[in-house]
Amino acid sequence: AQSVTQPDIHITVSEGASLELRCNYSYGATPYLFWYVQSPGQGLQLLLKYFSGDTLVQGIKGFEAEFKRSQSSFNLRKPSVHWSDAAEYFCAVGARGATNKLIFGTGTLLAVQP
Amino acid sequence: DTGVSQDPRHKITKRGQNVTFRCDPISEHNRLYWYRQTLGQGPEFLTYFQNEAQLEKSRLLSDRFSAERPKGSFSTLEIQRTEQGDSAMYLCASSRGAASGEIEKLFFGSGTQLSVL
Repeated sequence: AQSVTQPDIHITVSEGASLELRCNYSYGATPYLFWYVQSPGQGLQLLLKYFSGDTLVQGIKGFEAEFKRSQSSFNLRKPSVHWSDAAEYFCAVGARGATNKLIFGTGTLLAVQP
Repeated sequence: DTGVSQDPRHKITKRGQNVTFRCDPISEHNRLYWYRQTLGQGPEFLTYFQNEAQLEKSRLLSDRFSAERPKGSFSTLEIQRTEQGDSAMYLCASSRGAASGEIEKLFFGSGTQLSVL
């Protein structure tokens, strides 16, 4: 069965510091992989997605993620965090050939210190 | 493109009452999804429409839940005889689907927060 694990429930970083949010997935084949961000009172916004090809994926707002098949991981990174990045981040996996019935992780809440 | 709209933003109800939520997708999006998000969890898929046809329902969607999309535009999600365990954020998303070999992109609304007392 498909599953997504985000081992960090809460992370605090200083503004300007680098960020890495971890995501591990379980799936029998190469899945579709996504990162979404959810700010208070806002809907989920897609940051980036991986389908195939280059394993380093660029997204919006300066985020990137790297697919590592050997580690079943799809970690999200940003070289320099801004205060406006404070939000909850969700990793999700989708099955190829299926409807967009995404399986989400439990999320990582990011706090940014000035 | 005005985004996905959900109404109401918040709903407080007493256990046993019925509630109905509305979702207005982005115009011309033929696919509409409902997800549920409980505190400390990621969203969970509930059901999916292609135009007016409800094509898939999660086992999470008990018989107290019913969703409709009568004209292939807006959708409603009704919960009958609400229970405290129904308290959650109900999220709606829409998409225009995807061509072969592409990934479908979902656009989410801000959700309806349901509290059952």
